[in-house]
Amino acid sequence: AQRVTQPEKLLSVFKGAPVELKCNYSYSGSPELFWYVQYSRQRLQLLLRHISRESIKGFTADLNKGETSFHLKKPFAQEEDSAMYYCALIYADGGGSQGNLIFGKGTKLSVKP
Amino acid sequence: GAVVSQHPSRVICKSGTSVKIECRSLDFQATTMFWYRQFPKQSLMLMATSNEGSKATYEQGVEKDKFLINHASLTLSTLTVTSAHPEDSSFYICSARAGGAANYGYTFGSGTRLTVV
Repeated sequence: AQRVTQPEKLLSVFKGAPVELKCNYSYSGSPELFWYVQYSRQRLQLLLRHISRESIKGFTADLNKGETSFHLKKPFAQEEDSAMYYCALIYADGGGSQGNLIFGKGTKLSVKP
Repeated sequence: GAVVSQHPSRVICKSGTSVKIECRSLDFQATTMFWYRQFPKQSLMLMATSNEGSKATYEQGVEKDKFLINHASLTLSTLTVTSAHPEDSSFYICSARAGGAANYGYTFGSGTRLTVV
């Protein structure tokens, strides 16, 4: 069955330090992966998607099919990066739909001054 | 850990009928719940935010008379799509946040695939 795993519930780093938020997935098909961010008391926002291979707010994520991973990285963390980060996967449910979205449980990133 | 149960996972209904989707927090009390809609191959779109015991806050462009949200208890929120039309066919996801400590994140339901024929 398809699954998204974020092994770290909480990640705490100092400002300026590199950060890597881990995400592993389980899916037999061709995955389409996303990272979402939710700042305190705000709505969920799309951060980036692997298809576009873009860098948003200094964050990047590379899909590694061999390791079934899609880790989110930033070389120098900023205090304003403190938020909840969710990894998500689109999968086809076999019912003719164009894909459902499932989320990992999220990782809370805390960047200390 | 926190679990959100969303039901049904899939529903097919006829045009003009109404469909109710339930979102339950199983092991925590959810003071705030969010309802999202996902269009095919696209990101989530927030439809509304509901707080227990008060009226939901709808996002711009979302018809509150069409998408009725009820959050009558701390463990249950419902989304009713009234007079459904084929263009309402979509994937709907709820998420819930427990009250209290700021360390609580949001937990997502597994989603509901609505098909209106």
